[in-house]
Amino acid sequence: SQTIHQWPATLVQPVGSPLSLECTVEGTSNPNLYWYRQAAGRGLQLLFYSVGIGQISSEVPQNLSASRPQDRQFILSSKKLLLSDSGFYLCAWKQGKHYGYTFGSGTRLTVV
Amino acid sequence: QKEVEQNSGPLSVPEGAIASLNCTYSDRVSQSFFWYRQYSGKSPELIMSIYSNGDKEDGRFTAQLNKASQYVSLLIRDSQPSDSATYLCAGPRDYKLSFGAGTTVTVRA
Repeated sequence: SQTIHQWPATLVQPVGSPLSLECTVEGTSNPNLYWYRQAAGRGLQLLFYSVGIGQISSEVPQNLSASRPQDRQFILSSKKLLLSDSGFYLCAWKQGKHYGYTFGSGTRLTVV
Repeated sequence: QKEVEQNSGPLSVPEGAIASLNCTYSDRVSQSFFWYRQYSGKSPELIMSIYSNGDKEDGRFTAQLNKASQYVSLLIRDSQPSDSATYLCAGPRDYKLSFGAGTTVTVRA
């Protein structure tokens, strides 16, 4: 069966520090991968998605970047965190166009 | 116009009642819709998928899709306190899903 792993679960980082969040999917190949952010009490904001190795689409310009170095690995990064980067970061995957997402357990990031 | 709009809520229902949640969508060619449940502080969990007109039942949950009217709904029968959560509807947009804003349901014991 397919599983999605996301870590760490919580993170407290100072302003200006770098960020690296990792997401891996097991039990499937060539998944579509997604990074979302959810601010407190708000909806889901799509940050990046990838339909293949090395392919990244950015939905909104911001202080973040994403990479997909392997088929089932998706990384979210920042060189310098801002206070506004705080939120609940969710990785998700789906197998094809007509399927729903499966979300990872999320990383709660607090920038202080 | 947003691809998926979810305007109802928050919704408070007594235990044992039916909770009814609705979404409308703008893309007439959309083939599939999804309902997610998100408990506070947790990630969204897929609870229902519906691909064709009509009703789909899974336990106490019934999803309804009406392609002519472009709406999708979720009924929760015999609501339980454990159903208290935010419910998100989603429809396809290219390789992505477009989410509604969510409806927060509170089931009163």
